[in-house]
Amino acid sequence: AQSVTQLDSHVSVSEGTPVLLRCNYSSSYSPSLFWYVQHPNKGLQLLLKYTSAATLVKGINGFEAEFKKSETSFHLTKPSAHMSDAAEYFCVVSPTSGTYKYIFGTGTRLKVLA
Amino acid sequence: NAGVTQTPKFQVLKTGQSMTLQCAQDMNHEYMSWYRQDPGMGLRLIHYSVGAGITDQGEVPNGYNVSRSTTEDFPLRLLSAAPSQTSVYFCASSYKNQPQHFGDGTRLSIL
Repeated sequence: AQSVTQLDSHVSVSEGTPVLLRCNYSSSYSPSLFWYVQHPNKGLQLLLKYTSAATLVKGINGFEAEFKKSETSFHLTKPSAHMSDAAEYFCVVSPTSGTYKYIFGTGTRLKVLA
Repeated sequence: NAGVTQTPKFQVLKTGQSMTLQCAQDMNHEYMSWYRQDPGMGLRLIHYSVGAGITDQGEVPNGYNVSRSTTEDFPLRLLSAAPSQTSVYFCASSYKNQPQHFGDGTRLSIL
């Protein structure tokens, strides 16, 4: 069965410092993986996606993620946090063959301190 | 290009009332789904559809009905509202295995 674990429910960083949001997955197949961002009272917006091409994926707003099959991880990073990055972030695994259910992590709330 | 449109954005109901949350997409996606989002619980799948005329249950389907008569529309019906259904509801659509596109959500309160 597929699963996604976001290792931190809350992360706090200072503005201008690096961001690391951790995601581990479990899948019997080579999955497609996504990161979404949700700002307060908004819907979910796609940040980036991994679909078995390059293992280092660049997304919007300076975010990137690296797919590491040996570690079953897909951590989200950004070199320098901005106040506008404060939001909730979700790691998602796409359905495998024969299923249609996307698997969501429980989310990581990022706080950026001035 | 409107993407995924949800209506209404806000709604307050009394216990026992029924209502329909509307969802429409204009991207010709075959896959559509409804989620509810509650604090600390992430997104939970209520129902989903893989094409017109085909629907299936997610992990929290009780108290909700869906139908999919067209590719574009996927309404969610609350049969008899209960306070436990107070939540934020999101509709999403996609091609299979591709990233989902989300609506802006419906904030529903049941008194």
